[in-house]
Amino acid sequence: GENVEQHPSTLSVQEGDSAVIKCTYSDSASNYFPWYKQELGKRPQLIIDIRSNVGEKKDQRIAVTLNKTAKHFSLHITETQPEDSAVYFCAARGTDKLVFGAGTILRVKS
Amino acid sequence: DTAVSQTPKYLVTQMGNDKSIKCEQNLGHDTMYWYKQDSKKFLKIMFSYNNKELIINETVPNRFSPKSPDKAHLNLHINSLELGDSAVYFCASSQGLYGTATGELFFGEGSRLTVL
Repeated sequence: GENVEQHPSTLSVQEGDSAVIKCTYSDSASNYFPWYKQELGKRPQLIIDIRSNVGEKKDQRIAVTLNKTAKHFSLHITETQPEDSAVYFCAARGTDKLVFGAGTILRVKS
Repeated sequence: DTAVSQTPKYLVTQMGNDKSIKCEQNLGHDTMYWYKQDSKKFLKIMFSYNNKELIINETVPNRFSPKSPDKAHLNLHINSLELGDSAVYFCASSQGLYGTATGELFFGEGSRLTVL
């Protein structure tokens, strides 16, 4: 089955800097890669997703890149703000299920 | 109007007790899920129902029994609670299995279960 690894587990950046979170997946049949943000005490919410026929997708300060050959995808947040502090989860949907990474705690220091 | 709502939000109980968590979605989705989030924040799928039919049962102890009376509701009953059951349980829904139609999982606010 699908296995998703996510790095780093924690990430601290200064406000205004960029943050990058990386994930790798094992199932070459996976075709959908969402990213969820979970603020402290809140529910996970989708922030951006990418499908396998696209290499990059942007939405304001966040972007996701996908390298299908290497089976990895990344989340990029530019000009980080304190409200970006949260746990971020990557996920990959293969033939039978959506598998989440272990999460990255992002702390943006002001 | 909350899209996915679950009750109760907090649950504190003794070991050995039985408890239930209820979930309802008003999005018209046909698939619902239960996830467990432990203290390390890892999100792990427990069950998935598609149109009231159990689709996924991820090696969860028999003490956990989901029930879907209709496609808008998915409840979770836990028997003989153990300390290790302490976690936040999230209900979620999607259109199509794992969002095959639209791609997005909609989560409830979570139910924090503490077993003493």
